[in-house]
Amino acid sequence: QKEVEQDPGPLSVPEGAIVSLNCTYSNSAFQYFMWYRQYSRKGPELLMYTYSSGNKEDGRFTAQVDKSSKYISLFIRDSQPSDSATYLCAVLPNAGGTSYGKLTFGQGTILTVHP
Amino acid sequence: GAGVSQSPSNKVTEKGKDVELRCDPISGHTALYWYRQSLGQGLEFLIYFQGNSAPDKSGLPSDRFSAERTGGSVSTLTIQRTQQEDSAVYLCASSQGHARETQYFGPGTRLLVL
Repeated sequence: QKEVEQDPGPLSVPEGAIVSLNCTYSNSAFQYFMWYRQYSRKGPELLMYTYSSGNKEDGRFTAQVDKSSKYISLFIRDSQPSDSATYLCAVLPNAGGTSYGKLTFGQGTILTVHP
Repeated sequence: GAGVSQSPSNKVTEKGKDVELRCDPISGHTALYWYRQSLGQGLEFLIYFQGNSAPDKSGLPSDRFSAERTGGSVSTLTIQRTQQEDSAVYLCASSQGHARETQYFGPGTRLLVL
């Protein structure tokens, strides 16, 4: 079983829809949670970075973490065609040891927003 | 400023040949990471450098894979005697050094082993 599970999709939605992307993780040592966006033939770029349980908003994007159920989500409001990309969740353990900075990624969800 | 750069962008090689992939991190970033992205496996950690040292090589899949970093800057990932299963996108990322610092990714090198 992978440490981080993410439905690869693909997910196709109309412009303006609310998109919900989700990941689950198995190890409670993971304390930091990220969402990366990756356009075709590009490297991943950081979208959201959270530590605590709860919600974090940035414009049309909301990241949600529920540590009790080991569940992380990314919501995209008013989705645009330019949001079409692969979205990757990533987790990081608490500081210390040789796992410093070692990101563990989900499989990535391919999202298409059509006009 | 300049981001992380990688070269070559694409590499096609024959099975059994050696390849070298290069990463130029963001200037001043002390931490450097190599990841591999392949269909079915997602994005997997390979190795982490802090300065020129590699405290975590746990993700290297076999002893055919090695990496080095010189001058606290450029890093080279070498794959010896390439196999078809080595075909993937190899991504490099750098950060300012602390574990929780944001990692900035390069565009990757697409490796195809025939």
